[in-house]
Amino acid sequence: QQPVQSPQAVILREGEDAVINCSSSKALYSVHWYRQKHGEAPVFLMILLKGGEQKGHEKISASFNEKKQQSSLYLTASQLSYSGTYFCGTETGMYSGGGADGLTFGKGTHLIIQP
Amino acid sequence: NAGVTQTPKFQVLKTGQSMTLQCAQDMNHEYMSWYRQDPGMGLRLIHYSVGAGITDQGEVPNGYNVSRSTTEDFPLRLLSAAPSQTSVYFCASSYGLGVEKLFFGSGTQLSVL
Repeated sequence: QQPVQSPQAVILREGEDAVINCSSSKALYSVHWYRQKHGEAPVFLMILLKGGEQKGHEKISASFNEKKQQSSLYLTASQLSYSGTYFCGTETGMYSGGGADGLTFGKGTHLIIQP
Repeated sequence: NAGVTQTPKFQVLKTGQSMTLQCAQDMNHEYMSWYRQDPGMGLRLIHYSVGAGITDQGEVPNGYNVSRSTTEDFPLRLLSAAPSQTSVYFCASSYGLGVEKLFFGSGTQLSVL
């Protein structure tokens, strides 16, 4: 079952901040975040494992709330290069003990950064 | 070190034809997977494998077959192509399922007429 991402699209001016949310109806083993530019393959940003830890990557960071089965991606002081579609991917099966489900992605959040 | 290699990059099929999309990785990854990407639908998991000889279905497996006879290769077979299978297909691999980053191939644009 695909995780749910919100919002579907965001338009920002360069330098503004954005938050992208990802939620699941199942207990999460891990959450991945990827960014995809038009016509290209998705590119890895970060992984968060159960435990509520927050990770950072330059001005992009993420949190993982295991109890709420949610993750959020934070983009601060956005740059033009941040434009693209952001996907969260979730692995749930291993956590429930039922074996792997495979990494399942949300429908994506389109981020447009204007100068 | 080539990473994840997908072939072909583009393919046009007629309805009912069969074909195989090739995926190979040279990183000794145990986990390999196939996704299809359609506008507004994100990346949907078709099939995946956690090691040679082991495959499992993802969200949208109907109309597709896979096998994993070696660690390196994970081909995706379309048995009888349908227009609904027009999509961009990505192969991806990682060291471990869920806990390691996915390496994506460059994708295959498939059109079924």
